[in-house]
Amino acid sequence: GQQLNQSPQSMFIQEGEDVSMNCTSSSIFNTWLWYKQDPGEGPVLLIALYKAGELTSNGRLTAQFGITRKDSFLNISASIPSDVGIYFCAGPSTGTASKLTFGTGTRLQVTL
Amino acid sequence: DGGITQSPKYLFRKEGQNVTLSCEQNLNHDAMYWYRQDPGQGLRLIYYSQIVNDFQKGDIAEGYSVSREKKESFPLTVTSAQKNPTAFYLCASSSLGYGYTFGSGTRLTVV
Repeated sequence: GQQLNQSPQSMFIQEGEDVSMNCTSSSIFNTWLWYKQDPGEGPVLLIALYKAGELTSNGRLTAQFGITRKDSFLNISASIPSDVGIYFCAGPSTGTASKLTFGTGTRLQVTL
Repeated sequence: DGGITQSPKYLFRKEGQNVTLSCEQNLNHDAMYWYRQDPGQGLRLIYYSQIVNDFQKGDIAEGYSVSREKKESFPLTVTSAQKNPTAFYLCASSSLGYGYTFGSGTRLTVV
């Protein structure tokens, strides 16, 4: 089935640094979604991308829909302690538009 | 406020017991989902339902059962057949297929 691979798997950064992470797939996606999961909570939708090449921002977060439609990128600028959590990419599963395939996640730790 | 509610937040189960996790939404969403998350791991789909009275197995359905008698409710039963049930369980719902809304999760521990 479809797989979404995220990298890095985890990262430790200092407060104020910029963060970049990506999500790649062997198959084409028509939509990319980015979620953040705070410790002990459910994931929350951050950004949705619907068109190849699209660049969308949400505050300090910027996500891009790769032009090949097989990848997506998420950047966080000037990280703060509350950015800690797991970031997941997701896209609609083949043949079942109502079901999402989730990436493996990138765990972000921010040190002061 | 519209949202999706999971209860309880923490649940302890003795070996051999069945337990039921509750998931209720008032978002008028058609589709609902159950995911399992193990420590440091991603989300694995257990069951999903696109309409009332219909549901499909996900990737790890063995040892679990669900029902969808009402649009608002999608309870998950963890049966004694599930050999390793300790995990964090997440319920989600969606209307157009994208942009799931997740509950805050239930942490199940076998004692």
